Amino acid sequence: GAVVSQHPSWVICKSGTSVKIECRSLDFQATTMFWYRQFPKQSLMLMATSNEGSKATYEQGVEKDKFLINHASLTLSTLTVTSAHPEDSSFYICSAKGGAEQFFGPGTRLTVL
Amino acid sequence: QKEVEQDPGPLSVPEGAIVSLNCTYSNSAFQYFMWYRQYSRKGPELLMYTYSSGNKEDGRFTAQVDKSSKYISLFIRDSQPSDSATYLCAMRGNSGYSTLTFGKGTMLLVSP
Repeated sequence: GAVVSQHPSWVICKSGTSVKIECRSLDFQATTMFWYRQFPKQSLMLMATSNEGSKATYEQGVEKDKFLINHASLTLSTLTVTSAHPEDSSFYICSAKGGAEQFFGPGTRLTVL
Repeated sequence: QKEVEQDPGPLSVPEGAIVSLNCTYSNSAFQYFMWYRQYSRKGPELLMYTYSSGNKEDGRFTAQVDKSSKYISLFIRDSQPSDSATYLCAMRGNSGYSTLTFGKGTMLLVSP
């Protein structure tokens, strides 16, 4: 299957700092990328959908000013968690759509102290 | 009623068993059906993808979709301890803008 990479795989930061997570589709072009959040033993929660070159569409309850998404090219999307707080600690997973199929990155574990 | 229902398990089977994982759904607009495998602390890995009704086989995995019953299944033959993971069903409509709706996932444990 197609490969989606994410960087970093884990990050620890202090409360109040911002963290950027990168998501890349390595062997295909993705016009649409998605960002999910997953809590332990829970399913994936869609945060936002981004299309290359346009503003992201956020799901209800997700603060767009806190979770900044940039879809700069057909192979790169970034999620910036601004002024992170301990409650933002979670597993963040990006996904890229290649045709009808959707592929996921390995995830980024964020811990905010 | 949730859009997609999936038994969370855990489902425990001995090595070599045939495993049946299932999801039911309520939205008749769903046309694309996927099964993902997720190991602990990893992203989901696409196992099977099916459009509309029918069966699809790939190695030890068989996916079945019955749209009339709004019921999808994933069968794993000759299960291995390495198959131990959480299996997520996911589905979406025909529109290019539709997003995946996930089941909660079923945890599978295959003992040697």
